[in-house]
Amino acid sequence: QKEVEQDPGPLSVPEGAIVSLNCTYSNSAFQYFMWYRQYSRKGPELLMYTYSSGNKEDGRFTAQVDKSSKYISLFIRDSQPSDSATYLCAMSESGSEKLVFGKGTKLTVNP
Amino acid sequence: GAVVSQHPSRVICKSGTSVKIECRSLDFQATTMFWYRQFPKQSLMLMATSNEGSKATYEQGVEKDKFLINHASLTLSTLTVTSAHPEDSSFYICSADKQGNEQFFGPGTRLTVL
Repeated sequence: QKEVEQDPGPLSVPEGAIVSLNCTYSNSAFQYFMWYRQYSRKGPELLMYTYSSGNKEDGRFTAQVDKSSKYISLFIRDSQPSDSATYLCAMSESGSEKLVFGKGTKLTVNP
Repeated sequence: GAVVSQHPSRVICKSGTSVKIECRSLDFQATTMFWYRQFPKQSLMLMATSNEGSKATYEQGVEKDKFLINHASLTLSTLTVTSAHPEDSSFYICSADKQGNEQFFGPGTRLTVL
């Protein structure tokens, strides 16, 4: 079992839809959880950064962490064509700078 | 802000040559930078951790003599791919650690070895 599992998709939704992306993990020591957005042939861009369990909201984006289930989610409300990208989850242990990434989910939002 | 740049963005070279890629944190200092490579439709694979003023820490399976890393200052790390071969063709991405556990990525360098 890989440390971080993420369904690569692809995921295709109509404009305005609510998008749910998620990752599962096996390492209970992970404390920091991130979501990155990566456009084609570009470097990843940090979207959300959370510590331990709970929710965090930023505009149309909401990140949720459920440590008891080892499950994290990213929700995108009112999705736009410009949200079309690959979304990568990443996580790290406390005291470690090393990030472990999921494979990424390719999202397409159709106008 | 937290801006990380990479240069060059794209490089094509002949087999056997060496290629240097620069990673700079433009508006913050980073004692730690990271180098990743990414194959098409794959996730980022950490190659090495670059620490300012000390030797880089390489991940298992990464040849340190082939991928030379130098972190000469708090804003600059370089990756040199020595004696490049076609199998080294990939997308190389660096990141810089701003406040511990928060990494900001460069735009990546597409290396093609003919």
